[in-house]
Order: sequence, then C-alpha cells, then structure tokens
Amino acid sequence: DQQVKQNSPSLSVQEGRISILNCDYTNSMFDYFLWYKKYPAEGPTFLISISSIKDKNEDGRFTVFLNKSAKHLSLHIVPSQPGDSAVYFCAFSGGSNYKLTFGKGTLLTVNP
Amino acid sequence: SQTIHQWPATLVQPVGSPLSLECTVEGTSNPNLYWYRQAAGRGLQLLFYSVGIGQISSEVPQNLSASRPQDRQFILSSKKLLLSDSGFYLCAWAVGAAYEQYFGPGTRLTVT
Repeated sequence: DQQVKQNSPSLSVQEGRISILNCDYTNSMFDYFLWYKKYPAEGPTFLISISSIKDKNEDGRFTVFLNKSAKHLSLHIVPSQPGDSAVYFCAFSGGSNYKLTFGKGTLLTVNP
Repeated sequence: SQTIHQWPATLVQPVGSPLSLECTVEGTSNPNLYWYRQAAGRGLQLLFYSVGIGQISSEVPQNLSASRPQDRQFILSSKKLLLSDSGFYLCAWAVGAAYEQYFGPGTRLTVT
C-alpha cells in the first residue's frame, strides 16, 4: 500500500533557476506535511513543513505548496544553488500519532 | 541545544553475527525515538518507535529488535544478521506530539 509517491527519482536544473519537487499522496488522514533534505552518508535534515489548514508556506528560498483536493505536495526552490544538490524526501503525518511516512526521494542536481 | 549521536558510523558484519547499534539524544527529556532504515534506492522505512522508557512499537516484522533502557538511549539489535539487513540505519527524535523529527548521522551497515 503505497500511500506516498515521489514519481521523479531525479531532477537536474541550472543554478539560479527554479527547482520544483513533487509528491502525491492517497491517505486522506494526513494532516501535516514536511520536506527533508539529505546529503550522502548523512541523516536527513528538516527543511520546511505545512499543516493541512494552509496551502502555502515560505521560508527564504523554499516554498511548500499543498493542494489538498489533488492530494499533491510540492517544494519550490528559488533561486537554486549548487549547495541545494541533495536527495529531497517528502514526509507525511496524520492518523497514527508520532509517525511519519516518507516518499522514496528525489535526487536534485543543481548545475553551476 | 539538542544533539543526537549514533555509533558506529560504519559497520561490516558477517551473516549470522549479532548486531547492536546505539543512539543517544542530549538536551531534551522524554523524547520520542525512532529507528529507520534506508536500503539502496529506497525511501526511509520506519522500523521501531518509542514514546517512553521500555515502550517499543514495531512497524515491520523482521529479525531486528529495539530497546530503550534509558530515557534518551535507543538500541537496535539483532541476534543473527541476514544479507537483507544491509542498509543505512538512522535514529531520530521528536518532542511529544511534534511532527518534526530530527535525525542522527546514521550507521552504514554492510552484511557480507
């Protein structure tokens, strides 16, 4: 039962352009949505989150969008920088307490 | 500030050998603690979580077990490792019902 889908395993963008990362979900019980960034051989770091009562949250260059009717979550990075190159995971919470359900990740490469 | 430690950073073990991975958190009390595994090319799979000393919830049936002997200590164990246990093991913590989880640096386990 795949509740979360990150359909793009990889994404390549030019420095200074926008990066758009996407996730789709099926579980209507999800009410909190997060993005994590992971460098090789390191643990993921929390990036940004959004609750189900909002449809947008911004933090500097990072903006998360939630479309509840479409069950779609996205992360925009503007402008993209080479240091943003990493694997990005979407994560979802709701229903069962204390647990997060993660997507499989998207490898973002930002080319100088 | 809170910090999370995991050790060892890398481990190579033969099939059938035992396993003990340790995770400790500093700077917080009564955290929720989590063990995840990231297999090659896969997302983050939740293995165990604990909301208090001696309380363990298992998410995936397997030959691994977890224990929480102290408030800020979480241990992942196995009596006999399988080849399929290879992966990147991550410990994470969260405060109460907060959705954001914070990850340790991880342990790369290779079973040969």
